[in-house]
Amino acid sequence: AQKVTQAQTEISVVEKEDVTLDCVYETRDTTYYLFWYKQPPSGELVFLIRRNSFDEQNEISGRYSWNFQKSTSSFNFTITASQVVDSAVYFCALSAPNFGNEKLTFGTGTRLTIIP
Amino acid sequence: KAGVTQTPRYLIKTRGQQVTLSCSPISGHRSVSWYQQTPGQGLQFLFEYFSETQRNKGNFPGRFSGRQFSNSRSEMNVSTLELGDSALYLCASSLAGTSGRGYEQYFGPGTRLTVT
Repeated sequence: AQKVTQAQTEISVVEKEDVTLDCVYETRDTTYYLFWYKQPPSGELVFLIRRNSFDEQNEISGRYSWNFQKSTSSFNFTITASQVVDSAVYFCALSAPNFGNEKLTFGTGTRLTIIP
Repeated sequence: KAGVTQTPRYLIKTRGQQVTLSCSPISGHRSVSWYQQTPGQGLQFLFEYFSETQRNKGNFPGRFSGRQFSNSRSEMNVSTLELGDSALYLCASSLAGTSGRGYEQYFGPGTRLTVT
């Protein structure tokens, strides 16, 4: 069975502060994929990043960065110099596709509020 | 390229009725997945369709069903509605085929169903 844990239910930071969202996953599969999605108040899930289990390189995209560590089964997401537009619920997700099955298992989400 | 579209955006139904939700994937995407989002249970996988075949199903009762057409458009149906079916129903599409490569899923804006 697969499981994704986002222990931080809600986080509030003042604008321009850095913030890290934690994600811990469980799977017995050796090949798996990890994702982060953003859900703004409008409700639509916005894809942010995909990482496969064989690629532990950290990734940076503008103010966003992701730290993947297989040793601790974690895939954390950092926003530097946060902005009010970053306020949203962020979901970490896992898939272990088998014969094309692409089911995503989501964490419970972290609600991030950026205070101006 | 147009994103995933879902219709209707909002629905109010009465207990015992049935409802059909529609999803049009991104052009070229053949995999369509459905998810239910509620405050209590979070984001839960309903089913995935590829080439008009359901190839993965979540842990939902048989009242929840779906289908996919030859143009990859998909519908999901919920019969004998219960109060607990009130939720945001999200459709997602991806380039996933049969290779199991964990393609990212792109989500539509959702259909918010309220059962009274």
